Amino acid sequence: QSALTQPASVSGSPGQSITMSCTGTSSDVGGYNYVSWYQQYPGKAPKLMIYDVSNRPSGVSIRFSGSKSGNTASLTISGLQAEDEADYYCSSYTSSSTVVVFGGGTKLTVL
Amino acid sequence: QVQLQESGPGLVKPSQTLSLTCTVSGGSINSGDYYWSWIRQHPGKGLEWIGYIYYSGGTYYNPSVRSRVTISVDTSKNHFSLRLRSVTAADTAVYYCARTHYDSTGSSTFGPNWFDPWGQGTLVIVSS
Repeated sequence: QSALTQPASVSGSPGQSITMSCTGTSSDVGGYNYVSWYQQYPGKAPKLMIYDVSNRPSGVSIRFSGSKSGNTASLTISGLQAEDEADYYCSSYTSSSTVVVFGGGTKLTVL
Repeated sequence: QVQLQESGPGLVKPSQTLSLTCTVSGGSINSGDYYWSWIRQHPGKGLEWIGYIYYSGGTYYNPSVRSRVTISVDTSKNHFSLRLRSVTAADTAVYYCARTHYDSTGSSTFGPNWFDPWGQGTLVIVSS
């Protein structure tokens, strides 16, 4: 069981916007602005999409945005495209001895 | 542009030691701005952070593997390595190395915070 809770799947049609959640506790998501999001295609390595809750690395589409409210972080993808279909993982720094925790991942399906 | 590449045996026998190396190119592992981490992903499952090393040799490990793991660094070769002892089938996974960002503010250090870039990953199967 993962330390951060993500929905197993979300879906949307091309052009729509979707939001996926990542729920933790006050020891991780809620306590620090160190939430990151990763996109992973089958058989490929994860790719950083968002860091420090809402910052986008150079080269990542502006269609990707992150936010946080309380113990829940969110990743929003606007203008959904077929190429966005992938698994998405959230991660957070934690004050526990594990120091970093991941979510179980959300599979995004573009209908 | 920094790139990471994992290397090592793809098959390890139960009770033996898994050994992998991550070679860093396009940048120096001597940069004090980053940690260097190992992360694994069990087949069809999520991600598990194993541990990190700093260029000076300082390490921190996930308590779930702490008793069996050693991460070391060779700055002259610009690579860092993972050794996981007494492996079982539960250690079968894709192993990734990743440059790791941390945040240091005043007297406090927070991290790992995020991982970028990642190596392509290497599948290690534990089987006799």
